[in-house]
Amino acid sequence: EAGVVQSPRYKIIEKKQPVAFWCNPISGHNTLYWYRQNLGQGPELLIRYENEEAVDDSQLPKDRFSAERLKGVDSTLKIQPAELGDSAVYLCASSVEAGQSGFFGPGTRLTVL
Amino acid sequence: DQQVKQNSPSLSVQEGRISILNCDYTNSMFDYFLWYKKYPAEGPTFLISISSIKDKNEDGRFTVFLNKSAKHLSLHIVPSQPGDSAVYFCAARTSGTYKYIFGTGTRLKVLA
Repeated sequence: EAGVVQSPRYKIIEKKQPVAFWCNPISGHNTLYWYRQNLGQGPELLIRYENEEAVDDSQLPKDRFSAERLKGVDSTLKIQPAELGDSAVYLCASSVEAGQSGFFGPGTRLTVL
Repeated sequence: DQQVKQNSPSLSVQEGRISILNCDYTNSMFDYFLWYKKYPAEGPTFLISISSIKDKNEDGRFTVFLNKSAKHLSLHIVPSQPGDSAVYFCAARTSGTYKYIFGTGTRLKVLA
């Protein structure tokens, strides 16, 4: 069974530039999560999708972050414009149902210069 | 306010001995807890869970203990193996929600 796929694995951009991350969850997993993990911290939830609906985006900084999960399968997280403080690892996870332990992808390490 | 705390950033244990990783929480509404293991350059991998209606859950070499009165849980690994060297995160969920709050992690090093 293929795991959660994320791309790119690494991204270096200058501040004020836009950036996008892509995630393909495990087939059949209805719930998809985006997390941000800062250095030395645990993952923090940004947004949770149930199929194509964003059901919890309370932690998503909506002034610069956006996400979509068209057709309820893969998802894209975008930052525009990026700030220095956005440097972190962005993790995608999926589960069959909400509340279950999620399967995490390898993450995208973002460095904003 | 850190609701889930892992106060030991790192732990070293000799191979074959017991590893005990600790996690404290402040929210009495947490009803489900998870432990994840994370290797470098990989995403966290689910290890073991426990519901607040239990005080112990065991899976092979891994046992999680929950002390609700102390708001404390611990992960025991017996015997520890070099392949267990990783960062371990505990996570907790509030009853009625699907959002997990993660601790800051403990880096375990098992010495051969």
